[in-house]
Amino acid sequence: GENVEQHPSTLSVQEGDSAVIKCTYSDSASNYFPWYKQELGKGPQLIIDIRSNVGEKKDQRIAVTLNKTAKHFSLHITETQPEDSAVYFCAASIIGAAGNKLTFGGGTRVLVKP
Amino acid sequence: GAVVSQHPSWVICKSGTSVKIECRSLDFQATTMFWYRQFPKQSLMLMATSNEGSKATYEQGVEKDKFLINHASLTLSTLTVTSAHPEDSSFYICSAYRGGEQYFGPGTRLTVT
Repeated sequence: GENVEQHPSTLSVQEGDSAVIKCTYSDSASNYFPWYKQELGKGPQLIIDIRSNVGEKKDQRIAVTLNKTAKHFSLHITETQPEDSAVYFCAASIIGAAGNKLTFGGGTRVLVKP
Repeated sequence: GAVVSQHPSWVICKSGTSVKIECRSLDFQATTMFWYRQFPKQSLMLMATSNEGSKATYEQGVEKDKFLINHASLTLSTLTVTSAHPEDSSFYICSAYRGGEQYFGPGTRLTVT
């Protein structure tokens, strides 16, 4: 089955700096890669996703890049703000297979220091 | 749109009792819902895939007789933790599948004393 590794497990940045989280996956058939933000005591919220036919996607301060050959994808947050502090999870799945069954990475705890 | 709710948001039960958690898609129909368990400071672990009108598919290592899943309608799936024990204490999260995405509920905190 699919295995997703996520690094780093914790990340502390100064407000205004950039944060980068990296994930690798094992199943070359995976073609959908979402990123979720989870605040304490809440469910995950989708913040951005990318499909395998695209190399990069951007939404305001958030961007995701995908390297299919190397089987890794990354989340980039620019101009970080204190409200970006949360746990971020990457995931991988195959669109249409078993209702988009997701395999999650281990999570990255991001702390943005004011 | 695409709102998923869970009820209750938190529950405390005594060891040996059963507890039911509801997951509802409020503004869309979902033929497939998923149940996850999350221990403190850990990732989400898929427990089972719930399909409307059929039996749930459980992940390896998840006891189907302990975690009963029912998906009787296109907007409701329930997870019943039977004969709960303290090690079942966890954060249970459901998601509903629509249009290529999973929409997550807010989670249910279960504490077994």
